[in-house]
Amino acid sequence: NAGVMQNPRHLVRRRGQEARLRCSPMKGHSHVYWYRQLPEEGLKFMVYLQKENIIDESGMPKERFSAEFPKEGPSILRIQQVVRGDSAAYFCASSQGTPYGYTFGSGTRLTVV
Amino acid sequence: SQQGEEDPQALSIQEGENATMNCSYKTSINNLQWYRQNSGRGLVHLILIRSNEREKHSGRLRVTLDTSKKSSSLLITASRAADTASYFCATDPLEGKLIFGQGTELSVKP
Repeated sequence: NAGVMQNPRHLVRRRGQEARLRCSPMKGHSHVYWYRQLPEEGLKFMVYLQKENIIDESGMPKERFSAEFPKEGPSILRIQQVVRGDSAAYFCASSQGTPYGYTFGSGTRLTVV
Repeated sequence: SQQGEEDPQALSIQEGENATMNCSYKTSINNLQWYRQNSGRGLVHLILIRSNEREKHSGRLRVTLDTSKKSSSLLITASRAADTASYFCATDPLEGKLIFGQGTELSVKP
C-alpha cells in the first residue's frame, strides 16, 4: 500500500503561470481533502471531495483555485495565474470518512518566483 | 478562527522527560485527533479519541479529552530525540472538515 501519493514534491512557477498539483488517495479511500500550510503555521482546510463531487469548498479562495476528483485518476488542485502569496506547502489527505483518521501525503511545496 | 489551539507553542525538554501538550477547541466535536509533523514533511496520524472517550493510550502516547472544558492533552512519556517535531491537534466538528490548530513545536535534546 503506497499511501497517499502527491506529485510533484516541489514545484516552481513564475507569477501568472498555472500550477497543477496531483494527489492519489490510498487504495480504498474515497474521501480526499486538500490543505494549505504557510510557513510556521498550521494547516488550513481548503476543499473536501469525493469521486466526481465537491462536498465542501468553503476554504477555497473564490478565484483562481479549483479542485476535482474525477472518476478515474488522481485528484487535482489547480491554481491559475499564481501569485507570490500562493507559495506554500499543499497537503492532500484521504480517508474512509468519519470516524477514521486521515492519511496525509508528503505534500507539494509550491514556490512562486 | 482556528478550532484547535495548542499550548504551549514551543516546548524544549531533555531526553527521558515527559512532554505534555494541550489543545482547546470551541465547538462540539465528533472526535479529536493528534498528528505529528517532522520538519518539511507530511503529517502522521498519531491517535484519534472519540467524543465519548476520556482517555486513550498508544505506546508512549496518552491522550485525554474533557468535552466539558473543550480541551485535550497529549502526553509523550520517556521522550526521545526522535520525538522532535511539531504536534497538531485537529477537531472534527463536521464530517469531512478536520480543523487544525497552530501546533506545538517540541524539541527533545539528547
